Amino acid sequence: QSVLTQPPSASGTPGQRVTITCSGSSSNLGSNYVYWYQQLPGTAPNLLIYRNNQRPSGVPDRFSGSKSGASASLAISGLRSEDEANYYCATWDDSLSGPVFGGGTKLTVL
Amino acid sequence: QVQLVQSGAEVRKPGASVKVSCKASGYTFTNYALHWVRQASGQRLEWMGCINAGNANTKYSQKLQARLTITRDTSASTAYMELSSLRSEDTAVYFCARTGGDYVAFDIWGQGTMVTVSS
Repeated sequence: QSVLTQPPSASGTPGQRVTITCSGSSSNLGSNYVYWYQQLPGTAPNLLIYRNNQRPSGVPDRFSGSKSGASASLAISGLRSEDEANYYCATWDDSLSGPVFGGGTKLTVL
Repeated sequence: QVQLVQSGAEVRKPGASVKVSCKASGYTFTNYALHWVRQASGQRLEWMGCINAGNANTKYSQKLQARLTITRDTSASTAYMELSSLRSEDTAVYFCARTGGDYVAFDIWGQGTMVTVSS
């Protein structure tokens, strides 16, 4: 059972905007930043968003992140076929004293 | 370019140990931490622990701390993860990943090493 909860799946058509949510608790998301990772099948994860809403260089501005209290969301606008992947949220957990990940959301581009 | 290259796939019997390496290149090894994150097939990512490559301080997940040892060799710019008393549920892909001072911002990842525990 994941400390962070994500919907197992999401979908959208090309060009649409899709939002993926992540919910936690006061000991993790409620008091720490959220991070988002994209993982294509058979590959290592890739950092998409750090510290709630910052994008590493090279990540398109179609990806955006936000956080409110113990919940966070990743928005992908102008959906493209290459966005089809698993998306994981992550944060620091004060009780566990380490990073924790969500269960992942499989995004399908219809 | 900045990269982490891991050692190859391993097969072990239950109760044995496994040691996986992660060689860094393209950056100053001692300026960053290296973490180990594992992923069982179709499952979520699980943080295992990390080492500050500069001072060798380590931090382990509560779940694995009794069985996990992370070390580094600065002369080889390489970090190592050793997991002992292996069980079938340790079968997973093991990734090393780099962070700076922000221990959740894994900006560079290794390619992953498959560890299979089977009798």
